Amino acid sequence: AQSVTQLGSHVSVSEGALVLLRCNYSSSVPPYLFWYVQYPNQGLQLLLKYTSAATLVKGINGFEAEFKKSETSFHLTKPSAHMSDAAEYFCAVIYSYSGAGSYQLTFGKGTKLSVIP
Amino acid sequence: DTGVSQDPRHKITKRGQNVTFRCDPISEHNRLYWYRQTLGQGPEFLTYFQNEAQLEKSRLLSDRFSAERPKGSFSTLEIQRTEQGDSAMYLCASSPGGFGRSGNTIYFGEGSWLTVV
Repeated sequence: AQSVTQLGSHVSVSEGALVLLRCNYSSSVPPYLFWYVQYPNQGLQLLLKYTSAATLVKGINGFEAEFKKSETSFHLTKPSAHMSDAAEYFCAVIYSYSGAGSYQLTFGKGTKLSVIP
Repeated sequence: DTGVSQDPRHKITKRGQNVTFRCDPISEHNRLYWYRQTLGQGPEFLTYFQNEAQLEKSRLLSDRFSAERPKGSFSTLEIQRTEQGDSAMYLCASSPGGFGRSGNTIYFGEGSWLTVV
């Protein structure tokens, strides 16, 4: 079964510091990978997605993620944290494109990012 | 493009009552999804429509849950005889098509919060 593991349910960084949110997936086939952000009491907004093109993916708000097949990872980074980045971040995966379960996003449990002034 | 719209945003109901949530997807998106998110967890897939056809249902979708998309546009999710364990945010999402090399984006609404007392 497909799964996504996000290491660290809560990450705190100082404003201006590097943001690193970790995501590992389990798969023997190439996945599609996504990072979504959720602000309090709101739905999910797509930050970026990997669809087997470039392994380094740039998203909105200065975030980027690198797909590393050898490490089965898709970590999210941002060089300099801003107060407005405080939110919950979800990594998600889709594995196969035909048959049952094709279009289900499987989400990790999320990482809550706090930014300290 | 007005985004995915959900109604109501919040619902408090007594155990045993029926509730219905409505979702209006982005115009011309033929795929519509329902997810459920409980506190501290990532969203979990419930069901998926392509146009008016319900193509997949999760094991999470018990017999008390029913979803429809009668004309291939808006969708409703009804929960009968609500239980306290149904308390969660119900997220609707839509996409313009399936996943291929383009990796179509799934757009989420802001969710409908259900509290069963």
